[in-house]
Amino acid sequence: AQTVTQSQPEMSVQEAETVTLSCTYDTSESNYYLFWYKQPPSRQMILVIRQEAYKQQNATENRFSVNFQKAAKSFSLKISDSQLGDTAMYFCAFIITSGTYKYIFGTGTRLKVLA
Amino acid sequence: GAGVSQSPSNKVTEKGKDVELRCDPISGHTALYWYRQSLGQGLEFLIYFQGNSAPDKSGLPSDRFSAERTGGSVSTLTIQRTQQEDSAVYLCASSLSRQPHYEQYFGPGTRLTVT
Repeated sequence: AQTVTQSQPEMSVQEAETVTLSCTYDTSESNYYLFWYKQPPSRQMILVIRQEAYKQQNATENRFSVNFQKAAKSFSLKISDSQLGDTAMYFCAFIITSGTYKYIFGTGTRLKVLA
Repeated sequence: GAGVSQSPSNKVTEKGKDVELRCDPISGHTALYWYRQSLGQGLEFLIYFQGNSAPDKSGLPSDRFSAERTGGSVSTLTIQRTQQEDSAVYLCASSLSRQPHYEQYFGPGTRLTVT
């Protein structure tokens, strides 16, 4: 079975500090994409960052970067210089692209950035 | 331009009643997805539409759930004989294509409460 595990239900970080959100996943498939989504309070879910599993280079988007360890099936998100607007629920997810696509999401990590 | 819209934003219904949830995707997006977000859970994939192709219904939890997409645009998710465990936020997303490198854009969701 395909699963995504986010072991940190809640986290907090001081403004301007760096925080890392963990995510591990399990699949026997070789073709997939990994994602981090952000869901701010009472606002719509938006894509933060995307990683193709066949790429070794870690994806980065401004203050957001990932540490993708394929062998360990780990996909953590690092947020640098945290801002108050980063306060949100963060979901790790992957899409398996072998045969029928499968969309698997984790249970989320609630991040609070403290002033 | 306009994003994905969903209606109603909130729906309270009595157990056993049928409900219809509506999703208006971004114009030109051929792929449309429905997810369910239960309290404390991640997103659960329900169904996916791509253009005129047969939908991928693999995530629908029971035969009480059905969805259609008319004219390749608006989609309606119908839940018949609602149960209390159907209470959740139902999210719709659309993308230019099902290919995972195309970003999914999410709507604000419909919060369904079954009493």
